[in-house]
Parts: sequence; structure tokens; C-alpha cells
Amino acid sequence: EAAVTQSPRNKVTVTGGNVTLSCRQTNSHNYMYWYRQDTGHGLRLIHYSYGAGNLQIGDVPDGYKATRTTQEDFFLLLELASPSQTSLYFCASSAGQGNTLYFGAGTRLSVL
Amino acid sequence: AQSVTQPDARVTVSEGASLQLRCKYSYSATPYLFWYVQYPRQGLQLLLKYYSGDPVVQGVNGFEAEFSKSNSSFHLRKASVHWSDSAVYFCAVGNTGYQNFYFGKGTSLTVIP
Repeated sequence: EAAVTQSPRNKVTVTGGNVTLSCRQTNSHNYMYWYRQDTGHGLRLIHYSYGAGNLQIGDVPDGYKATRTTQEDFFLLLELASPSQTSLYFCASSAGQGNTLYFGAGTRLSVL
Repeated sequence: AQSVTQPDARVTVSEGASLQLRCKYSYSATPYLFWYVQYPRQGLQLLLKYYSGDPVVQGVNGFEAEFSKSNSSFHLRKASVHWSDSAVYFCAVGNTGYQNFYFGKGTSLTVIP
């Protein structure tokens, strides 16, 4: 069974604060993704990567940076958090084109 | 541009009834199509996927979906729902050539015992 682990599960920060969300996959997948889930919007892609050192911009990248340090680890950085970034964030991995996405359990972020 | 539309934000059915959740997509080529389910406080899990072949594809827990190229649709069905099927269901399209996925806004299903 594919495994994607996100940390922390919950995070509260203040406006202007720095936040790093972590994701590790143990599936040897090349592709990793960061999505945010908001009521009325479904899942929206922030950034994705197809290997260590690679980064691709998604559909809602503003205010977010990401870094893929290894094949296993993908980080999402919010350097100046804003209340509009309050959301549920999901990391996912995939083996490649047309393959299934495997999701982590999510990180709920609140920016006060 | 690719897009996925799930026209029903909420669906309520009685246990034992049949179910259809609708999904329409917009994509220029033949897409990869997926249905995912999200149970409370969990991540999304794959129900089924389609790329080619028989337009009716079987998934887990008795779910199936039918691809229609002419209607640009990929509707999800189940013959008899159980209360444990209560969840949010997402339709998604993956594009060939680029490893990207687009999700619909989801349909929240409530099954009344």
C-alpha cells in the first residue's frame, strides 16, 4: 500500500508568519503534488514536482513556494502567511502519467 | 483548458437505493478519468479510473462508472448504497503528456439509513 505522510496535521499561525508543511512518500514515486481544498472550490493544484530539485507551478501558486529535496520529500512554504491561505492542504504522489494519485491525510492550516 | 464539472454539490439517498453521481469534463484529447472518495477527516482514495477500452469500468465497493465520449461524461453509479458510502466524491481528469490532474468541486453524498 502506497504511503504518503504529512506533518503537521494541524497548524495555527498568525498573519505574516512563516509556515512549512512537510510531505514524505515511501512509494518511490517520481511525481509529488500540493493541493489545497476549500469549500466551493474542490481541490486546486498549488505546485508539483517530477523529481528531486524539480518544481512545476500549478494553478494557484501565489504566496506559496515549494521545494523537492529528495525523491521522498516535498515541502510547501508560506513565507508571509495570510488569512486567505487558511485551508486544508493535501500532498499526493504518483508514479507517472495516468497513474493513481495517493494522498496524505491532510494538514489543516489556520492563519489568524 | 481542461475542466471538470460536478453539477450536484449535495445528494441524499436512502440506504438500498441506486445512485448516480454526474461528472462532465472538458478536454481536447482522450483523458485519463478518475473517481476519488473522501471520507471524513481523511485524504482522497481512488474508487476507479478509465483511459481506454470498455466504457464501463468497475471499481471498489460495487461502484462503476461509464465513459461517454459523445457526452464528455464519466458518471459514477452504484446499484444499492450503504450508509457507509456517505462521503464526498470527486471526479478528476488527468491530461496526457503532462502529469497534472484537474478535480471537480465534489459531490457530498449522504445515505439515510
